[in-house]
Amino acid sequence: DARVTQTPRHKVTEMGQEVTMRCQPILGHNTVFWYRQTMMQGLELLAYFRNRAPLDDSGMPKDRFSAEMPDATLATLKIQPSEPRDSAVYFCASGLDYGTPTYEQYFGPGTRLTVT
Amino acid sequence: AQKITQTQPGMFVQEKEAVTLDCTYDTSDPSYGLFWYKQPSSGEMIFLIYQGSYDQQNATEGRYSLNFQKARKSANLVISASQLGDSAMYFCAMREGLIQGAQKLVFGQGTRLTINP
Repeated sequence: DARVTQTPRHKVTEMGQEVTMRCQPILGHNTVFWYRQTMMQGLELLAYFRNRAPLDDSGMPKDRFSAEMPDATLATLKIQPSEPRDSAVYFCASGLDYGTPTYEQYFGPGTRLTVT
Repeated sequence: AQKITQTQPGMFVQEKEAVTLDCTYDTSDPSYGLFWYKQPSSGEMIFLIYQGSYDQQNATEGRYSLNFQKARKSANLVISASQLGDSAMYFCAMREGLIQGAQKLVFGQGTRLTINP
């Protein structure tokens, strides 16, 4: 049963520290998405990739956030320096943009980040 | 402007009853897709059902069906014979454009559904 995996599942860190979240998309999927979920803002798209190339990162605060796909099996989201307002659940999702009528996205379990 | 509006923050339904969760959307793109996702208390996002803007029939998946009214720009989720395990947050989402690369989803604020025994 193919799944998107994310590590770590939980992260507590102090303000100012660097945070790196990792995602392994489903093998063969060519699109990867990073979302952030908070009570106030709901689910927001931060960035997404197609065939490892960044397509849209307009939802991401550029001064502290960065997203990369070093290879097809790994996507990373970094926050440096972290701030308390970054506390949220960060979801990674992957999908296919061809050969499917729905282009549905499969979500990982999320990383719950708390910045104190 | 809100692209996806879910007007019911919370709903309470008796077990075995049918329930309709509302979703309206706003787009000027003739090609779009509408999704419903379920988020139980464990936190994962589970895909439920999809409706394409050109689909002639309303989508159905088991106990889930989508009441798609294009002219009204609404895509309500209907759950028949609700079960206790249906208690969760439900999100409506839209993808504009059906061309390659235009894949990002915009989500509504969600509806928290509680099924009472």
